[in-house]
Amino acid sequence: GQQVMQIPQYQHVQEGEDFTTYCNSSTTLSNIQWYKQRPGGHPVFLIQLVKSGEVKKQKRLTFQFGEAKKNSSLHITATQTTDVGTYFCAGHVSTGNTGKLIFGQGTTLQVKP
Amino acid sequence: NAGVTQTPKFRVLKTGQSMTLLCAQDMNHEYMYWYRQDPGMGLRLIHYSVGEGTTAKGEVPDGYNVSRLKKQNFLLGLESAAPSQTSVYFCASSLAGPKSYEQYFGPGTRLTVT
Repeated sequence: GQQVMQIPQYQHVQEGEDFTTYCNSSTTLSNIQWYKQRPGGHPVFLIQLVKSGEVKKQKRLTFQFGEAKKNSSLHITATQTTDVGTYFCAGHVSTGNTGKLIFGQGTTLQVKP
Repeated sequence: NAGVTQTPKFRVLKTGQSMTLLCAQDMNHEYMYWYRQDPGMGLRLIHYSVGEGTTAKGEVPDGYNVSRLKKQNFLLGLESAAPSQTSVYFCASSLAGPKSYEQYFGPGTRLTVT
């Protein structure tokens, strides 16, 4: 079936270090969304990428969508303790639109002050 | 606006019992979704609805039923709970299909089946 794989599953960094999570799909995606879930909270939408090769920035966060629209990454520069949480990518497949997003397993980020 | 609300927040069931989880949204969204979240497995779609009176199966529909009698409400039912259904359940809604719009999530329901 259609799958979205996300790595790493966990990442521990020192405050101020950079962090990257990667998302790979077995099929071409029409778009990809990123969500953040704080501990004990619910997923909150961060951004959507639609175009091949698209790069978007939100302050210290940089999101990329691969040229083949099968992979994506989220990079955080100079992490802060407020970045703690689980980051999910979620892709919508290009064919057979049934209104479903496929979520990756998530990357849990811990930041040591 | 309350956004997406879920009741109850917590529930403990014995194996074989039934229950209904209620999701309500006040954003006039067409699409609504039920997910379950288990450690290391991300969010898995159980059922979803593209409008009032319509429902469709997601990735893991077995053991669950849903109904969307009113546009603002989406109910998830467990007819005979099993320990494998111990999970955190999230409801979400969006303006239209997820191809174009973000999903708004409720606070979740933590269900334990003993």
